[in-house]
Amino acid sequence: GAGVSQTPSNKVTEKGKYVELRCDPISGHTALYWYRQSLGQGPEFLIYFQGTGAADDSGLPNDRFFAVRPEGSVSTLKIQRTERGDSAVYLCASSGTPLAGGEQFFGPGTRLTVL
Amino acid sequence: QQQVKQSPQSLIVQKGGISIINCAYENTAFDYFPWYQQFPGKGPALLIAIRPDVSEKKEGRFTISFNKSAKQFSLHIMDSQPGDSATYFCAARQAGNMLTFGGGTRLMVKP
Repeated sequence: GAGVSQTPSNKVTEKGKYVELRCDPISGHTALYWYRQSLGQGPEFLIYFQGTGAADDSGLPNDRFFAVRPEGSVSTLKIQRTERGDSAVYLCASSGTPLAGGEQFFGPGTRLTVL
Repeated sequence: QQQVKQSPQSLIVQKGGISIINCAYENTAFDYFPWYQQFPGKGPALLIAIRPDVSEKKEGRFTISFNKSAKQFSLHIMDSQPGDSATYFCAARQAGNMLTFGGGTRLMVKP
């Protein structure tokens, strides 16, 4: 597909469980971002990858959150010991080089519900 | 600390009218200001964007006005249509990095 894809679209889990959320960026995009959007609010930055490395992880709320991008394409956001407060829509975005404009294109998100 | 403040939170406009959404920012290092449109159940979609060396940018019915000295920018939607009903987010970016979003404006355009 041409756009950013995210799987699953919905994830329901129980408090204390581990979850993984996947993002497939637009082909060729080197930068990848994760955001979290709570109901009725704007997206909040979590982590940013340039290639395989995390260039900025200052938005991760605590050490239960971790993300990887081992081959510089697909990324996985991992949440350990989930809490009810983690319930939100997790958005992934990708962008090309700054010379190409650097606009961020978002996926449809994964709605995480922690019971 | 909320670095981008957006108003109003909600807006109702008649079909054919002008919708105006305002944003203010604090960080003078921001170098790129996009607006995103989001429909329920979808991710944000880039609508229009501006850089601080330009005071206005127009694309079709959408116009961004930018006031660097006041650290404010706004989105104008001309001839608003029911299909424009969505949530709109302003954002700001610092040096090729992450976006900082405003709180969003829920726009309803009445037929």
